[in-house]
Amino acid sequence: QVQLQESGPGLVKPSQTLSLTCTVSGGSISSGGYFWSWIRQRPGKGLEWIGYIYYSGSTYYNPSLNSRVTISLDTSNNQFSLKLSSVTAADTAVYFCARDHWGAFDYWGQGAPVTVSS
Amino acid sequence: QSALTQPPSVSGSPGQSVTISCTGTSSDISSYNRVSWYQQAPGTAPKLMIFEVSDRPSGVPDRFSGSKSGNTASLTISGLQAEDEADYYCSLHTGSSTRVFGGGTKVTVL
Repeated sequence: QVQLQESGPGLVKPSQTLSLTCTVSGGSISSGGYFWSWIRQRPGKGLEWIGYIYYSGSTYYNPSLNSRVTISLDTSNNQFSLKLSSVTAADTAVYFCARDHWGAFDYWGQGAPVTVSS
Repeated sequence: QSALTQPPSVSGSPGQSVTISCTGTSSDISSYNRVSWYQQAPGTAPKLMIFEVSDRPSGVPDRFSGSKSGNTASLTISGLQAEDEADYYCSLHTGSSTRVFGGGTKVTVL
C-alpha cells in the first residue's frame, strides 16, 4: 500500500521560501509510470494543483505559480520536495502531496498546514 | 476562478440520487477523457472516486458513477447515504500536461 507523508515548517515569514518534503513508502518514485504532484487548499476554498515531477526529473507547473515554484526529486530517500518562493499571506494553505497517474490522484498525504505570517 | 465549473451545492434525501455537473471551458472536457472525481470530508485529504470519466478504483461503491456529454462531465450518487455528505471536486488532465480542479460541490444529505 502506497503511503505519502508531508513534512516541513508550519509557519513561514512573508517574502521567505516555503519548503515541504513528501516521503513516499510502499512504492518507489523511480519506478516510472507515475507523476508526483503537489496540491494546495486555502482555508475554506477549493483544491489548486501546483505542479508535478516525473521520475525522470521533468517538471510541469501551474502557470499561475510557475515563476515561484520548484519541485525536485530525491530518489535515494524516496522523496520529492516543493519550494515556493516570495510567499505572502495568500499562500497560507494546507499543502498535499499526491501520486498522479495521468491526472488521477490516487494516493494522497494527510496534508501539511502552512501559515504565512510575521 | 476555476476553469471547471461546478454547482456550489446539491442536496438529496437518503435513498435518492444526486448528480454533480462539471463544465469545462472551450472544448477541453469534450476533447479529453482524463476526468476524475474526488470526495473530501472535513479535515481530511481528498479521496479518488472516479477516474477516466467513469472508472471506479477498487473499494469505491458502485453507487458512484461518472459520465460525460459534450463539454460537461457528471458524477451521480445513487442511493444516497448519510456518509456521502462531503465536498466533491472534479479534475481534468489536458493534453498540455496541466491539471485543473473544479471549484467543488457540497453534497448535503437531508
